[in-house]
Amino acid sequence: AQSVTQLGSHVSVSEGALVLLRCNYSSSVPPYLFWYVQYPNQGLQLLLKYTSAATLVKGINGFEAEFKKSETSFHLTKPSAHMSDAAEYFCAVTKSNFGNEKLTFGTGTRLTIIP
Amino acid sequence: DAGVTQSPTHLIKTRGQQVTLRCSPISGHKSVSWYQQVLGQGPQFIFQYYEKEERGRGNFPDRFSARQFPNYSSELNVNALLLGDSALYLCASSLALDRGGEKLFFGSGTQLSVL
Repeated sequence: AQSVTQLGSHVSVSEGALVLLRCNYSSSVPPYLFWYVQYPNQGLQLLLKYTSAATLVKGINGFEAEFKKSETSFHLTKPSAHMSDAAEYFCAVTKSNFGNEKLTFGTGTRLTIIP
Repeated sequence: DAGVTQSPTHLIKTRGQQVTLRCSPISGHKSVSWYQQVLGQGPQFIFQYYEKEERGRGNFPDRFSARQFPNYSSELNVNALLLGDSALYLCASSLALDRGGEKLFFGSGTQLSVL
């Protein structure tokens, strides 16, 4: 079975500072990993996905994530936080041979940006 | 093009009642999935339908059922509502099935409150 663990349910950073949201995965097969963002009263929007093509994945809005098999991690980063980045972020995993319809999500990290 | 649309956006029911939630996928998308997001948690997979057939089911009781219509829209039904069914119900669509990493598009959800 696949699972993800997001460390830190709440993260606060100053505007312009580095954003680092942590995600560790557990999977018995090579995983497909995703980061989604959820703004208040909205659905989920895909930020980026890892599908084994490259370990460093660049997404939308300046976010990127690096797949590290040795650490079973897929942390999300952004060099400089913007006020508009305030949202809930979810890491998710699925088996590579299934597709992404059956995603297993983490519990989420709420990102607050301090002006 | 319209995104994934869900109706209604908000719903209030009482315990024991039945509810039907509706979802229209993006035009051309044949796969629809349903997720339940309880406040403060990540979404949990309920069902996935493709070409009108159930292709996956999460760990939910038989009170939960769904179907997909010839136009690929979908309904989620929940019978004998419990307080614990209060959640945001998300619908997601994608082009196809079993294409690893296929991008999943989420609707804004239906917020169900059970009193």
